[in-house]
Amino acid sequence: DAKTTQPNSMESNEEEPVHLPCNHSTISGTDYIHWYRQLPSQGPEYVIHGLTSNVNNRMASLAIAEDRKSSTLILHRATLRDAAVYYCILSAGTASKLTFGTGTRLQVTL
Amino acid sequence: GAVVSQHPSRVICKSGTSVKIECRSLDFQATTMFWYRQFPKQSLMLMATSNEGSKATYEQGVEKDKFLINHASLTLSTLTVTSAHPEDSSFYICSASTPGGGRQPQHFGDGTRLSIL
Repeated sequence: DAKTTQPNSMESNEEEPVHLPCNHSTISGTDYIHWYRQLPSQGPEYVIHGLTSNVNNRMASLAIAEDRKSSTLILHRATLRDAAVYYCILSAGTASKLTFGTGTRLQVTL
Repeated sequence: GAVVSQHPSRVICKSGTSVKIECRSLDFQATTMFWYRQFPKQSLMLMATSNEGSKATYEQGVEKDKFLINHASLTLSTLTVTSAHPEDSSFYICSASTPGGGRQPQHFGDGTRLSIL
């Protein structure tokens, strides 16, 4: 499986935008970029995913580099409820298996 | 949105007991379900992939005779931890997806915290 690299932790102030980076330099042409987040003592929650084009949904935006070797999850206005571990995962087009790394622990402060 | 229900949310039992965990997709048909295990302060580790009507595929190092998986319908998969021991204590999480591979997201249950005394 192609690997992803994320910072271990990030901090943000409430109501500020947050940009969570992810490097995936060995991504293949059929790999989708998925983002999930996990709050304490809960199962992961789907955030967003994309292939080549930038994606927007009600939770976040996903900006994908032109060469697809990196991507950025954008939370437009962080709230305390966004404090979680964010996982960037590549999923092959033909199989939906996910391999979780260590993710980025996002702290949001007042 | 797609909802996955996992039951029970917490189990405490004695060593040697077998424990069954259910995972249901409530508003969609899940052709594939996944079972993960997460130890404290660690990431999720995939244990097995189950497809409706066929045998589960286990990840390397996961004992298939200890962790029995059944995916008898498009909305239900079960994980049975047989003869559980304290080292099996962990947070077990299921997820489900529809056909489409990486094009489709996975939807996760809220997890089952298993504590073996």
